[in-house]
Amino acid sequence: AQSVTQLGSHVSVSEGALVLLRCNYSSSVPPYLFWYVQYPNQGLQLLLKYTTGATLVKGINGFEAEFKKSETSFHLTKPSAHMSDAAEYFCAVTGGGSARQLTFGSGTQLTVLP
Amino acid sequence: DAGVIQSPRHEVTEMGQEVTLRCKPISGHNSLFWYRQTMMRGLELLIYFNNNVPIDDSGMPEDRFSAKMPNASFSTLKIQPSEPRDSAVYFCASRSSGNEQFFGPGTRLTVL
Repeated sequence: AQSVTQLGSHVSVSEGALVLLRCNYSSSVPPYLFWYVQYPNQGLQLLLKYTTGATLVKGINGFEAEFKKSETSFHLTKPSAHMSDAAEYFCAVTGGGSARQLTFGSGTQLTVLP
Repeated sequence: DAGVIQSPRHEVTEMGQEVTLRCKPISGHNSLFWYRQTMMRGLELLIYFNNNVPIDDSGMPEDRFSAKMPNASFSTLKIQPSEPRDSAVYFCASRSSGNEQFFGPGTRLTVL
């Protein structure tokens, strides 16, 4: 079974400051990990994903995340927040087997202050 | 590519009425997922299909919910009869042989 924990349901940062959204997972098999972003009244959009290989993955809009197996973490970062980054962010992990269904965290609402 | 298409985008109905939500996955994708999103419970997987066959419907809340995928380009999620607690945003997502799921814009359902 897989599970995802996102620490902090709400995070506020100032424009230009570092964004750090935390995600820890548990998985009985090697995980595939994802970050999705949801803007108001829209569906989820993939920011980045880790499957295999390089543990530091870069995504769209300047976001990146690092897979740390020893810490079972996949935290999302961006060096400098922009007002347009305000949204809800979801971390997700795949289930085992061929179906690979996603298990989502509870989400983190990011607010960017001017 | 038009992406995943869902209709309607908004649905307001009265308790007891039948509601049908529709989804057209991305052409060529062989897996389709229905999710429900609420403030209280977050994102919940309701059911998913692989090659038009339902694989796991353990997330379907109760018998009032049913889903079908008659062909590779169309799926429906039906609620009959609807109840106020069914009010939520319902998302459809599709996936090819890779790992990424592509989400539709969602249907916002309000049951009065």
